[in-house]
Amino acid sequence: DTAVSQTPKYLVTQMGNDKSIKCEQNLGHDTMYWYKQDSKKFLKIMFSYNNKELIINETVPNRFSPKSPDKAHLNLHINSLELGDSAVYFCASRIQGHNEQFFGPGTRLTVL
Amino acid sequence: AQSVTQPDIHITVSEGASLELRCNYSYGATPYLFWYVQSPGQGLQLLLKYFSGDTLVQGIKGFEAEFKRSQSSFNLRKPSVHWSDAAEYFCAVQGGGSNYKLTFGKGTLLTVNP
Repeated sequence: DTAVSQTPKYLVTQMGNDKSIKCEQNLGHDTMYWYKQDSKKFLKIMFSYNNKELIINETVPNRFSPKSPDKAHLNLHINSLELGDSAVYFCASRIQGHNEQFFGPGTRLTVL
Repeated sequence: AQSVTQPDIHITVSEGASLELRCNYSYGATPYLFWYVQSPGQGLQLLLKYFSGDTLVQGIKGFEAEFKRSQSSFNLRKPSVHWSDAAEYFCAVQGGGSNYKLTFGKGTLLTVNP
């Protein structure tokens, strides 16, 4: 199936741990995004990569480090997890010249 | 800076009734506007979008939205709501430039009574 996929779907971990969330799109898009949805359902942009280059970094703590090994993948690594990092993280992608972003199913991160 | 306001946090309607969800935006130029729906535990699905042209846009699932520049609004409507429409609805504005980032409103939760 053509889509934006994320792994894992659920992630439960202890405070202080380091974890990664993976995103892959097979739509041939060249721009990818990470959004965070907090407990109040508020969605906010975190990062964007275009052709593996970082183009948006929205005042996110440097414990969060995105990595784009190629145009089809944008992973999110989080160091020293805190309780406030608990949220649903959505990956999205877009092709240059088009406005519409396609969203993945989300990864629900719970930090205990 | 771009921003979106959805004044209604929670709306309850009866099945079969009409629906209007409000959205006001702030953006310096002509905006790109979107409505997304999120069912419980699910991802975001695009309902419709406005870029230019006809100010009344049709979307999926019988939804439509009207862009009104004078009011900075992009309200979502549906003439007859179905129980399956119960979900969270997000309005979003997109800037241009090199990043096309989406700025979302805080969402409106729709409850449908039988």
